[in-house]
Amino acid sequence: ETGVTQTPRHLVMGMTNKKSLKCEQHLGHNAMYWYKQSAKKPLELMFVYNFKEQTENNSVPSRFSPECPNSSHLFLHLHTLQPEDSALYLCASSNGVSNQPQHFGDGTRLSIL
Amino acid sequence: AQSVAQPEDQVNVAEGNPLTVKCTYSVSGNPYLFWYVQYPNRGLQFLLKYITGDNLVKGSYGFEAEFNKSQTSFHLKKPSALVSDSALYFCAVRAIRFYNNNDMRFGAGTRLTVKP
Repeated sequence: ETGVTQTPRHLVMGMTNKKSLKCEQHLGHNAMYWYKQSAKKPLELMFVYNFKEQTENNSVPSRFSPECPNSSHLFLHLHTLQPEDSALYLCASSNGVSNQPQHFGDGTRLSIL
Repeated sequence: AQSVAQPEDQVNVAEGNPLTVKCTYSVSGNPYLFWYVQYPNRGLQFLLKYITGDNLVKGSYGFEAEFNKSQTSFHLKKPSALVSDSALYFCAVRAIRFYNNNDMRFGAGTRLTVKP
């Protein structure tokens, strides 16, 4: 149990579907992150939220839309995705101080048909 | 800009032998350095970190890492490898310069295989 829960664990969707990934942290952290992990590529930071405010968007296509309603919950809304978007999407949290490690969920394995 | 390099995609060791997983970094100023491990179908799990002080840091599961400023390295080590150590290992760096810098850069990962 890492304290960061992601749902669903697996998701298969067509390119025209709309779905959402959910992340919840029970660690009292104030920063939350979305990462994309593809085979044989470095972990890609997508979005950062600090105290519910988005502080970073690493040139992520608009078909990915994050939402952070409070410091414990983070969503990633998906629409009209492409096959190259198939990957493991990881959520993480930290207490926002740069010398503290991030705590990761177990990810959502996304497959785009 | 900050970056991390893990020069080996794959490391193979025999059970009971010492293991080393290499990491070098590039950052403006002093770094915070981290090692994470990822088991199949799981997220990344924190192992250890270097913030300041003693260059040799000890972490979970008997792992340790040595910070070498002159060589800008932070290699992960374990004196005696276990088969259960087989996993994907990630090094990460964050610059100290910005107090609330949330931008952590990860290496591409090294797959460690420990054979019985």
